[in-house]
Amino acid sequence: RKEVEQDPGPFNVPEGATVAFNCTYSNSASQSFFWYRQDCRKEPKLLMSVYSSGNEDGRFTAQLNRASQYISLLIRDSKLSDSATYLCVVKYGQNFVFGPGTRLSVLP
Amino acid sequence: NAGVTQTPKFRVLKTGQSMTLLCAQDMNHEYMYWYRQDPGMGLRLIHYSVGEGTTAKGEVPDGYNVSRLKKQNFLLGLESAAPSQTSVYFCASSYESYYEQYFGPGTRLTVT
Repeated sequence: RKEVEQDPGPFNVPEGATVAFNCTYSNSASQSFFWYRQDCRKEPKLLMSVYSSGNEDGRFTAQLNRASQYISLLIRDSKLSDSATYLCVVKYGQNFVFGPGTRLSVLP
Repeated sequence: NAGVTQTPKFRVLKTGQSMTLLCAQDMNHEYMYWYRQDPGMGLRLIHYSVGEGTTAKGEVPDGYNVSRLKKQNFLLGLESAAPSQTSVYFCASSYESYYEQYFGPGTRLTVT
């Protein structure tokens, strides 16, 4: 089993839709959790950290379930500019482990 | 601030050639990382450094060497390039290990 797994995608959604991405991790000792976004042929950039209590940043909401070793990202009112690949990142020890990413295309 | 920069941006090597990728950061970060990204594989950690003069192996270190002689620079070396090393290489840095990572723009390497 891969250490970090994500919905394979791609997700093709119309503008204004709500879309949710799931991520599971295998190492129960994982300490920190993040969502990054990566545009085509660009570097990953932090979208948001994920806190135990869940957190929201504008149209984006992240949830963490430590018992189930599960992370989610919800995007409301999708914009064309949200089209990107979303990377789930889990940290334990000195290691940042990246998931393979879920590609999102928001269509006009 | 330039953030994290990488040179070169593109490179084509022949099998057996050597090269060094340079990563520089101007954020005074202690931690620096080298990743490779291949289609469908996600980013995989090659080597990392927790401070000037230190290096450690990541998930896929074979065929690579690194050095961190100055805090702001992290070099990745390929001594004898192989086609399996064709990839996009990203450097990243972070203030502390539990803080977010900032990535450079990447180096696209092709080994023929």
